[in-house]
Amino acid sequence: NAGVTQTPKFQVLKTGQSMTLQCAQDMNHEYMSWYRQDPGMGLRLIHYSVGAGITDQGEVPNGYNVSRSTTEDFPLRLLSAAPSQTSVYFCASSYASSVSYEQYFGPGTRLTVT
Amino acid sequence: RKEVEQDPGPFNVPEGATVAFNCTYSNSASQSFFWYRQDCRKEPKLLMSVYSSGNEDGRFTAQLNRASQYISLLIRDSKLSDSATYLCVSGGSQGNLIFGKGTKLSVKP
Repeated sequence: NAGVTQTPKFQVLKTGQSMTLQCAQDMNHEYMSWYRQDPGMGLRLIHYSVGAGITDQGEVPNGYNVSRSTTEDFPLRLLSAAPSQTSVYFCASSYASSVSYEQYFGPGTRLTVT
Repeated sequence: RKEVEQDPGPFNVPEGATVAFNCTYSNSASQSFFWYRQDCRKEPKLLMSVYSSGNEDGRFTAQLNRASQYISLLIRDSKLSDSATYLCVSGGSQGNLIFGKGTKLSVKP
């Protein structure tokens, strides 16, 4: 099993550009989520999904969209990049509810917005 | 009040030392607690869950004090490979996980 994979590993965007961060898992996990990690801020939840076709907002959803058309994939879209979105983005998955089961994280995407 | 608070460190200890990390959480209704480990520029990985009765995994011991809303992690006989950031995690009021900012540990020879 590859676990949780994320692409790209690194990305530089200009302000106003849009892009999609890809996330996939091969563990047949129902629960998937996106976090951002900033220095001194810890991991913050952006969006999450409890199953295909179901998504919901986390703590910091503004400026991001998600969709979950399959169990395996959970892409994160930046609509119009801003310097405040410079961060490390982690995708995670778990068997079911994140509060009860181990979260498996992808290797992260380091995004810089200039 | 932040939902999960940790001492950011860094904790600089010699090999073989015992080190303890503490963490407080604000959601008194939380039923789930974890310690995750994050190596530099890597993703977090589960170190251990924290149970009400306390639990031990080799050199690592986790304790939960519900009355004080306090979680601890004790590492005995520290190894160089224990150098990492340790994240305290609690179930949040909206059914998701809340991560602390992490405590950095550096074990020196």
